[in-house]
Amino acid sequence: DTAVSQTPKYLVTQMGNDKSIKCEQNLGHDTMYWYKQDSKKFLKIMFSYNNKELIINETVPNRFSPKSPDKAHLNLHINSLELGDSAVYFCASSQAGGGLGKLFFGSGTQLSVL
Amino acid sequence: DQQVKQNSPSLSVQEGRISILNCDYTNSMFDYFLWYKKYPAEGPTFLISISSIKDKNEDGRFTVFLNKSAKHLSLHIVPSQPGDSAVYFCAASGSPSLGRLYFGRGTQLTVWP
Repeated sequence: DTAVSQTPKYLVTQMGNDKSIKCEQNLGHDTMYWYKQDSKKFLKIMFSYNNKELIINETVPNRFSPKSPDKAHLNLHINSLELGDSAVYFCASSQAGGGLGKLFFGSGTQLSVL
Repeated sequence: DQQVKQNSPSLSVQEGRISILNCDYTNSMFDYFLWYKKYPAEGPTFLISISSIKDKNEDGRFTVFLNKSAKHLSLHIVPSQPGDSAVYFCAASGSPSLGRLYFGRGTQLTVWP
């Protein structure tokens, strides 16, 4: 039973489109995250939510809008996709307060913008 | 601005020998350090961590060493096994936002029989 699951695994789309990535965790964690791994392999935090409240917004373009309907779900909606948005997006969760840095990651969504 | 650096993109080690992966950081406010392991097509998984008040933490075959004065940490795997072949990410964090991790670019470890 997957602890942090995100869909879809692969997403290929045209520039200008709007797309969403969904994430769910069944660990009972209070905090969820979106991380982005770019073409240079750097993993960088985008957003963090604690119990449905936005905690971290790491200067991400406002075309990216996270939504947390409940503490087990954190979705990422991206408007007007650009070539530079191509990356792997990882959802993660942790116990409240960051779990001493012990994050549980999903398997990633490979986004390719053509 | 790269605050966590892993300068070796790859490391190849024979099975049974020691693997040493290195990591440097620049931000003196970091006080918690972690190693994550990543297999292809999977997300990173937590491996081991160390607080800045310690200089060593051991968990089975894995030991992390921290040298605060040098802003350097290393992960030792002894003995190395083929199943250890993966990308290893070093990460750092400063309280209170312990969930905000700063990652290095990773080191691909290959353990050959």
